[in-house]
Amino acid sequence: TQLLEQSPQFLSIQEGENLTVYCNSSSVFSSLQWYRQEPGEGPVLLVTVVTGGEVKKLKRLTFQFGDARKDSSLHITAAQPGDTGLYLCAGAKETSGSRLTFGEGTQLTVNP
Amino acid sequence: EAQVTQNPRYLITVTGKKLTVTCSQNMNHEYMSWYRQDPGLGLRQIYYSMNVEVTDKGDVPEGYKVSRKEKRNFPLILESPSPNQTSLYFCASRQATTGPLNYGYTFGSGTRLTVV
Repeated sequence: TQLLEQSPQFLSIQEGENLTVYCNSSSVFSSLQWYRQEPGEGPVLLVTVVTGGEVKKLKRLTFQFGDARKDSSLHITAAQPGDTGLYLCAGAKETSGSRLTFGEGTQLTVNP
Repeated sequence: EAQVTQNPRYLITVTGKKLTVTCSQNMNHEYMSWYRQDPGLGLRQIYYSMNVEVTDKGDVPEGYKVSRKEKRNFPLILESPSPNQTSLYFCASRQATTGPLNYGYTFGSGTRLTVV
């Protein structure tokens, strides 16, 4: 059973559209991170959220941590082909030594 | 440039032939970890190390060994590889933390291993 469920698994949209990716769990996390992975490379950190209800913005990307710290969302405004990639959420719990547990990822394709 | 370097990038080997995947980081990070990435299963932690000479099992440690004799290096050893260890492997490192995890991982570029 996957501790972190991401949805959708696959998303194909046209350039300029908006989208939201979800990361859900029944567990409470002390922090949650989002990474982006491109083919042939390792994941690259986008953001870390640690406070319930926290919202962080990175240019056209908006990240939100749920109030109960069990879920998170990533919203992309006016998607561009350069946003194409695998988006991974990862949660950490202090009780497990802050080991990261990853979701399966959302494969996003933005078509020109 | 701050980075995690894995070698080799690609490896094809035969069942039972011992192999080592090297990992080195130049950021003086205390924490290092190995993950494998498989379709439909995501990234799963194999082993991790919180500092020199301190290693512990992750979620899928069977068939793997690690060592941490120096801070910068964290090799992954497959003593007797089997086809079910065919996968994409990532080494990652980060700073140590107390309290909520504020530091992200820096990942290597990956090692694609095929065991035939």
